[in-house]
Amino acid sequence: DIQMTQSPSSLSASVGDRVTITCRTSQNIGRYLNWYQQKPGKAPKLLIYTASNLQSGVPSRFSGSGSGTDFTLTINFLQSEDFATYYCQQSHSAPQGFTFGPGTKVEI
Amino acid sequence: VQLVESGGGVVQPGRSLRLSCGASGFTFSTLAMHWVRQAPGKGLEWVALISSDGYNKYYADSVKGRFVISRDNFKNTLYLQMNSLTVEDTGLYYCARDPAAAGSGECDYWGQGTRVTVSS
Repeated sequence: DIQMTQSPSSLSASVGDRVTITCRTSQNIGRYLNWYQQKPGKAPKLLIYTASNLQSGVPSRFSGSGSGTDFTLTINFLQSEDFATYYCQQSHSAPQGFTFGPGTKVEI
Repeated sequence: VQLVESGGGVVQPGRSLRLSCGASGFTFSTLAMHWVRQAPGKGLEWVALISSDGYNKYYADSVKGRFVISRDNFKNTLYLQMNSLTVEDTGLYYCARDPAAAGSGECDYWGQGTRVTVSS
């Protein structure tokens, strides 16, 4: 199985800040890494797919990078509506399962 | 796109439950579908994937042999048959759409979830 880690597990930031979240996988997954945002009481929302592709309708202040085992989600000019929990997910191989990372909570 | 889950409830350990997810707003039969769950206060856990034609199915190790994912493309409905339930299966169960027929792993649209509680 592919193991996922995210760092930090939580962070405090202010409106206007630049925030970086890291996701690491236990094996090389190429660029098969997705990022989701989840707000309390709401379903997750796809932000970034295959490492760096912005999902339709997602603001351009969100960006993703990385390949292999190390990936990054960056939020530029953090807005109040960005305070949420962010999850990475590997989509390398269906038989191995599409594991989610443990999440990073972005707080004010 | 709209996904509406149903069928959740309170069930005793060892019993079974079947979840449904009604889909609308897209051509259901052309895209793969997922079930993803979230235990109370915890993170997301991918549960299962089914290809658009229903032939290919994949499961998380935690549910393999107990859960069965299926779909009815005439009724635009996704199912999750959950057997031999344990307290660890308690959580909010989401269905989610995959943008590819075979299943890319991405979940681009999600329902609001149906809650399952396994308790004696």
